[in-house]
Amino acid sequence: DIVMTQSPLSLSVTPGQPASISCKSSRSLLHSNGHTFLHWYLQKPGQSPQLLIYEVSNRFSGVPDRFSGSGSGTDFTLKISRVEAEDVGVYYCMEGSSQPIAFGQGTRLDIK
Amino acid sequence: EVQLVESGGGLVQPGGSLRLSCTASGFTFSGTWMQWVRRPPGRGLVWVSMISPDGGGTDYAGSVKGRFTISRDNAKNTLFLQMNNVGPDDTAVYYCTKDGGWSRFEHWGQGARVTVSS
Repeated sequence: DIVMTQSPLSLSVTPGQPASISCKSSRSLLHSNGHTFLHWYLQKPGQSPQLLIYEVSNRFSGVPDRFSGSGSGTDFTLKISRVEAEDVGVYYCMEGSSQPIAFGQGTRLDIK
Repeated sequence: EVQLVESGGGLVQPGGSLRLSCTASGFTFSGTWMQWVRRPPGRGLVWVSMISPDGGGTDYAGSVKGRFTISRDNAKNTLFLQMNNVGPDDTAVYYCTKDGGWSRFEHWGQGARVTVSS
């Protein structure tokens, strides 16, 4: 089974400052069809998870442009250019083509 | 507007059964892969199961295979998760998700809390 490893597991950020979360997979996520099905989700406190980024770098509808995703192969990164108070929660990377589907452990972001 | 509304959660004894339902609206349910994801208390998200649009294709996490059954009623726009022989490790909030392709979970329900305890 594929293993997704996130780091750090928690971070505390001052509003207006950037934040970065790493996600590493145990094998290359490049699918035979040429796509990479690495997605990022955010679960805010008391809410259901929400899709932020799909296929490495595509922002989902309504996601602010301060969120960006990058990476390839086994190494991926989610960046927030300027953290806002509403960004608190747990961030997860997830690989969408493997069986079983694998989530990272989650990275908790809070505000200093 | 896409809506996913779970129901059927609650307290169940170890070894017991429970059936979760997810009623969908706002999209063509019969043409959409659907999946279940759970979040155990104090832990991260865990994938549980998926089902093809016509219900003919299913898959399960190893931890639930043989105990859980995913199904759907396209005439009623409803997704189900039959949970049998549950144990304490099945305690979690269960989310119904709409798959936009390759497990791109574009929409999530509000969650159904399942607690397994005697």
